[in-house]
Amino acid sequence: LAKTTQPISMDSYEGQEVNITCSHNNIATNDYITWYQQFPSQGPRFIIQGYKTKVTNEVASLFIPADRKSSTLSLPRVSLSDTAVYYCLVGEHYGGSQGNLIFGKGTKLSVKP
Amino acid sequence: DVKVTQSSRYLVKRTGEKVFLECVQDMDHENMFWYRQDPGLGLRLIYFSYDVKMKEKGDIPEGYSVSREKKERFSLILESASTNQTSMYLCASTNREGGELFFGEGSRLTVL
Repeated sequence: LAKTTQPISMDSYEGQEVNITCSHNNIATNDYITWYQQFPSQGPRFIIQGYKTKVTNEVASLFIPADRKSSTLSLPRVSLSDTAVYYCLVGEHYGGSQGNLIFGKGTKLSVKP
Repeated sequence: DVKVTQSSRYLVKRTGEKVFLECVQDMDHENMFWYRQDPGLGLRLIYFSYDVKMKEKGDIPEGYSVSREKKERFSLILESASTNQTSMYLCASTNREGGELFFGEGSRLTVL
């Protein structure tokens, strides 16, 4: 099972771009990389998912190098409301019988005015 | 609006009690998961199920069991609650094609 390593915490200021990197050295061929955001007293919610290269949606970008041993979540122009814990998840796209979905410890992002 | 509903947001139980945590999803998802979340430890997978009556152990199954009698419902059972099971419990589901995990709002269990 692919284990993930992320920084425990990061600080930023409003309007800055924030990049959070996740290391997953033993990622398997069938594994996808997914990022989740969690606010206090709520369940995590999906941000973005990718397999290789770059993926972009309306809230974030995900950069995955060719060897796929790491990935970087990029949040453009953060605001105070982006203060949350961000989790990198690596696992089978089919989260079922071929494997389970293991979260890392997450990165606590604090955005300051 | 898709939804994962956990039966109780807050529970207080005594050591040795049997505890049921219920989770229901309305998205016809095949896969369901139970995680616990503790400060500094992130989310840890307890059990998951990829079909009715099927279950697989996650990272920390000791002290827990699960039941999946119907597709939409996945129950977590603590046969004899202990103080070290005080935690936030999160249920999630996803369809067979994977992709996004949908989480419930969590059940905060305190065992005295």
